[in-house]
Amino acid sequence: GEDVEQSLFLSVREGDSSVINCTYTDSSSTYLYWYKQEPGAGLQLLTYIFSNMDMKQDQRLTVLLNKKDKHLSLRIADTQTGDSAIYFCAERYNTDKLIFGTGTRLQVFP
Amino acid sequence: EPEVTQTPSHQVTQMGQEVILRCVPISNHLYFYWYRQILGQKVEFLVSFYNNEISEKSEIFDDQFSVERPDGSNFTLKIRSTKLEDSAMYFCASSDRQGHEQYFGPGTRLTVT
Repeated sequence: GEDVEQSLFLSVREGDSSVINCTYTDSSSTYLYWYKQEPGAGLQLLTYIFSNMDMKQDQRLTVLLNKKDKHLSLRIADTQTGDSAIYFCAERYNTDKLIFGTGTRLQVFP
Repeated sequence: EPEVTQTPSHQVTQMGQEVILRCVPISNHLYFYWYRQILGQKVEFLVSFYNNEISEKSEIFDDQFSVERPDGSNFTLKIRSTKLEDSAMYFCASSDRQGHEQYFGPGTRLTVT
């Protein structure tokens, strides 16, 4: 069935790059998304990638997609303390529903 | 920047009571969604809504749940007779394309006692 998995925690030093990883099982996924959740806030859409792309860059964010391995990653360059949050990947295939991962808690320390 | 809003931020209710969770989607969006997140679990899809009809629903969305767009701005989720296991954070979302780029509200934390 459909499943999306992420590691639970990531800790990085301010100024370093962060790489958050995600694996999914549905090879038919059309779009893959990254959302950010700060404490007390909703899910903020950060970026997405269409399944026929390998990479997408948006300012400090780079999304890499390996369809063969069903692996998605989000790289945050020059990580700042304001990037501390929970990051969710989600997949969608020709339906309305997003299937979310467990979320990765990113902690940035000075 | 336009955003999805939800009220209340926290609702406490007794088992068996009806609750209505409210959402104001982004004004030019036509597609609306509800998700929930039970503490410690994944965010789960409940239902999508377009043109005053349910487009898609999950197994969770049984007869105890209903959605409505009572006017041009609000989108509501009603739970008729709440159970303890309905305790969760409920998120509303909206989009201007079906399924794509869903923008989420801050959520309503529902606690059923």
